[in-house]
Amino acid sequence: AQSVTQPDIHITVSEGASLELRCNYSYGATPYLFWYVQSPGQGLQLLLKYFSGDTLVQGIKGFEAEFKRSQSSFNLRKPSVHWSDAAEYFCAVGVNDYKLSFGAGTTVTVRA
Amino acid sequence: GAVVSQHPSRVICKSGTSVKIECRSLDFQATTMFWYRQFPKKSLMLMATSNEGSKATYEQGVEKDKFLINHASLTLSTLTVTSAHPEDSSFYICSAEPSDRGKETQYFGPGTRLLVL
Repeated sequence: AQSVTQPDIHITVSEGASLELRCNYSYGATPYLFWYVQSPGQGLQLLLKYFSGDTLVQGIKGFEAEFKRSQSSFNLRKPSVHWSDAAEYFCAVGVNDYKLSFGAGTTVTVRA
Repeated sequence: GAVVSQHPSRVICKSGTSVKIECRSLDFQATTMFWYRQFPKKSLMLMATSNEGSKATYEQGVEKDKFLINHASLTLSTLTVTSAHPEDSSFYICSAEPSDRGKETQYFGPGTRLLVL
């Protein structure tokens, strides 16, 4: 069965600084990979996804993620964080039937 | 963009009662909807896949008689927590997959907070 690990439970970053959220997956084949953001009172919003092709994926809100097969990783990055980026971030793996397995999430706090 | 709503947003009920949660796709049709459960500081756990016009498919360990799912139309799926107990208190989230797009697209509702006293 597939699994997703987000090693960082909580990350605090200064506004304007760069952000990287780690995600590792375990799956027999190349999975479909997703990053979602969850803000209080809002539904999960898709930031970006990887299915195949270019391993560097651009998403919304200035986020990007890189798929590294050799490391079974799909880390999320943003060069310059805004206060509005404070939220819960989830990495997810999808398999053939597109059922999603989520990581435990990383809480991002942005300090002024 | 595609919008999914859930009603109610939060509900408090007494132990032993049943609670119905609605998930609606507001501007698209969804043959398939998913129901998740999220514990505090924890990941989302897929409970079941809801298919319009057919029986839901439950994940291992999820009691189908406890969590009744009905997907009677292409825009509405309901989750009924029957004979609720305090351990059923949780955050329930649905997602909907547009019928006219690739299966990899899911839009999530804002969630329903259930507290069973």
